[in-house]
Amino acid sequence: EVKLVQSGAEVKKPGESLRISCQGSGYSFTTYMIVWVRQMPGKGLEWMGRIDPSDSYTYYSPSFQGHVTISVDKSLSTAYLHWSSLKASDTAMYYCTRGSGDPWGQGTLVTVSS
Amino acid sequence: SSELTQDPAVSVALGQTVRITCQGDSLRGYYASWYQQKPGQAPVLVIYGRNNRPSGIPDRFSGSSSGSTASLTITGAQAEDEADYYCNSRDSSGIIWVFGGGTKLSVL
Repeated sequence: EVKLVQSGAEVKKPGESLRISCQGSGYSFTTYMIVWVRQMPGKGLEWMGRIDPSDSYTYYSPSFQGHVTISVDKSLSTAYLHWSSLKASDTAMYYCTRGSGDPWGQGTLVTVSS
Repeated sequence: SSELTQDPAVSVALGQTVRITCQGDSLRGYYASWYQQKPGQAPVLVIYGRNNRPSGIPDRFSGSSSGSTASLTITGAQAEDEADYYCNSRDSSGIIWVFGGGTKLSVL
């Protein structure tokens, strides 16, 4: 079974750093891009960026460029989404999915509050 | 703002046919994918490419495209189809992908 399993919910303070993860299984991890998607409370889906696990090449949406970093560890079949300095406006559910759009991880809820 | 535009809400009577549309200039050159999202759940891919359904997606879901508009059609809508639906495709650069704003489907 092809699966993406994400790390658990996080509660952080503004200015703190955070890295969440997305581990793939059941397929060749380097064959498919990994995409990160944000969903703010009560809002729609936003495409943040993607990474090619075979060479770590990344593309970011202009809306997220410079605020987040996407990385990958092929040896662990895991992709990461990293913030160096969180803002309250980063409070959202974050999903990973394969470049094919299927499947999706279960989501990681990030709450940033002082 | 999204480069793909969807109607915020659509309703359909149980068993009837409904079309959900997605408009954007980039759709003249790229197919849209469609996702279904139910409350508290991750999105699920229902249509991709020209008109392809992943394994497990009922054949009442179909996709089509004409000009700058992509459509998701549900033929014989069921109560369990009530959900938010999002289109997804490349933007005008062809490099970055975007989602439409989503359509809330109510099955009456």
